[in-house]
Amino acid sequence: DVVLIQSPLSLPVTLGQPASISCRSSQRLVYSDGNIYLNWFHQRPGQSPRRLIYKVSNRDSGVPDRFSGSGSGTDFTLKISRVEAEDVGVYYCMQATIWPPTFGQGTKVEIK
Amino acid sequence: EVQLVESGGGLVQPGGSLRLSCAASGFSFDTNWMSWVRQAPGKGLEWVANIKEDGSARYYVDSVKGRSTISRDNAKNSLYLQMSNLRAEDTAVYYCARGGSPLSHDYFDYWGRGTLVTVSS
Repeated sequence: DVVLIQSPLSLPVTLGQPASISCRSSQRLVYSDGNIYLNWFHQRPGQSPRRLIYKVSNRDSGVPDRFSGSGSGTDFTLKISRVEAEDVGVYYCMQATIWPPTFGQGTKVEIK
Repeated sequence: EVQLVESGGGLVQPGGSLRLSCAASGFSFDTNWMSWVRQAPGKGLEWVANIKEDGSARYYVDSVKGRSTISRDNAKNSLYLQMSNLRAEDTAVYYCARGGSPLSHDYFDYWGRGTLVTVSS
């Protein structure tokens, strides 16, 4: 199975400052159709996950534009341009290129 | 508005069985793959099983294969997960999620609130 390693696992951030989370895959995630099926999810405390980003860099409907995704091959990044209080929680990357789908271990974002 | 509402969780003894349900609304249920994803207490997310729109294809994570059956009733807009021979390591919140097609690679754009399964004597 594809292993996704996120870093850091814990990320204390200051309100209004940027934040960045890395997701590194054990295998290249380019599918035969040329797409990379790498998603990002956010889970607030006590809530179910919400998908933020699909196919590396596409924001889901209603996701603020302060969230952006990038990357290629085996290295991917989720960036928050200016952290807001509602952004706390755990962020997961997930790959859907290679069967079975797998998640990273999660990065906990908290406010300093 | 898309809604997914899980039910059926609870406390069950090791070796016991449980059937989880997910009621879907707000979208065309019968044109979407559906999945179950679980989260052990304080842990990360794990895909468990998925099922094709018409139920003709089903896939499972190795750890539940042979002990769980995913099914759906498109007439009732409902998804199910029958779990048997439950183990302590099956203790988790089980989420119903839309998507999971290995063809379109579109996964988990909507999630339910989850239902807690606790396996303990």
